[in-house]
Amino acid sequence: DIQMTQSPSSLSASVGDRVTITCRASQRISSYLNWYQQKPGKAPELLIYSASNLQSGVPSRFSGSGSGTDFTLTISSLQPEYIATYYCQQSYSVPFTFGGGTKLE
Amino acid sequence: QVQLVESGGGVVQPGGSLRLSCAASGFTFSNYGMHWVRQTPGKGLEWVAFMRHDGTTNYYADSVKGRFTISRDNSKSTVYLQINSLGAEDTAVYYCAKDHSSKWSYFDYWGQGTLVTVSS
Repeated sequence: DIQMTQSPSSLSASVGDRVTITCRASQRISSYLNWYQQKPGKAPELLIYSASNLQSGVPSRFSGSGSGTDFTLTISSLQPEYIATYYCQQSYSVPFTFGGGTKLE
Repeated sequence: QVQLVESGGGVVQPGGSLRLSCAASGFTFSNYGMHWVRQTPGKGLEWVAFMRHDGTTNYYADSVKGRFTISRDNSKSTVYLQINSLGAEDTAVYYCAKDHSSKWSYFDYWGQGTLVTVSS
């Protein structure tokens, strides 16, 4: 199975800060990497697919980059509504695996 | 708009069974693969099962293989998850999620989830 490791596991930031979350795969996964946002008590929502493509309706403050084993989710200017837990997920092979999550506080 | 509505969760004794349902609307159900993903209380996400758009292929996480069965009825736009031999480790919120493609790619829409609690 491909292991996905996110860092940090939690992050404290202020409104307006630039935030970066990293995700590392245990083997190369090309660009088959997706990011989800989950707010408390809600279902996850797709933010970015295939490493760098913004899902329709997602603010342009979000961006993704990387390929191979190392990936990054960046929020250019943190807004209060972005407080959530963020997960990376690989869709390169079965079983589809998620990172442990990064809780933004 | 795309809607996924899960049902069938509840409290079940260890060793028991449940059938979860996910009713889909707002898209042509028969064109897309469907997944089940679960989240244990306070923990992260675990992919559970996937079925191709036409029901010909399915995959399972090792943790549920042989106990869980995914199925779909394209005439009813519904995907199911039959869960048997439940243990405490299966206590979780179960989400259905639509795949972006007919095979597998990424989860572009999620339901609100249904809670399964395994307890005596």
